[in-house]
Amino acid sequence: DTGVSQDPRHKITKRGQNVTFRCDPISEHNRLYWYRQTLGQGPEFLTYFQNEAQLEKSRLLSDRFSAERPKGSFSTLEIQRTEQGDSAMYLCASKSSQGDNEQFFGPGTRLTVL
Amino acid sequence: AQRVTQPEKLLSVFKGAPVELKCNYSYSGSPELFWYVQYSRQRLQLLLRHISRESIKGFTADLNKGETSFHLKKPFAQEEDSAMYYCALDVLKAAGNKLTFGGGTRVLVKP
Repeated sequence: DTGVSQDPRHKITKRGQNVTFRCDPISEHNRLYWYRQTLGQGPEFLTYFQNEAQLEKSRLLSDRFSAERPKGSFSTLEIQRTEQGDSAMYLCASKSSQGDNEQFFGPGTRLTVL
Repeated sequence: AQRVTQPEKLLSVFKGAPVELKCNYSYSGSPELFWYVQYSRQRLQLLLRHISRESIKGFTADLNKGETSFHLKKPFAQEEDSAMYYCALDVLKAAGNKLTFGGGTRVLVKP
């Protein structure tokens, strides 16, 4: 296990298309977080899971966004009908709910909406 | 709602000079504060947290609850310290340990 992985690393799409990103957390981590980072800003929280349960969603997560973690392992983030304003880096992080309070981040998926 | 402010977007210092990155937060409770760092072409990683009270790579940060600050300091900057630094706040189990980040400070250490 080499850490949190995300796929794809880059995605270019046209406005109106749907996109899906995947995150594979560190295997023993039961918490998984999604953040969005736009140019010149720090990451902003979108949503998080404990095991397969989605426990919180930010108001940033409009109805076009949906996230799942069906078996409590990997997670997907889908954006429907993409808009240019969705262009950003989407970061995934994972941690254990026990022990050290440290989130481990993936490399991110950079989305460009044309 | 909690908020983290990093007033400097860019800090440029010469090698061997001291560097201080400012971080102020607003939260009425007792948060946990972190500094995360992102080196060029690498992922975001934890640098240090206030509860550890340790020095990492020569960096220290002290939580000042009176001033609601968590400034990051290093007495002698090195070229390898050039990176993006983010201050982050966690209100712990009250909110699922989600992090609130500041806008980041880019540190450039010149030779």
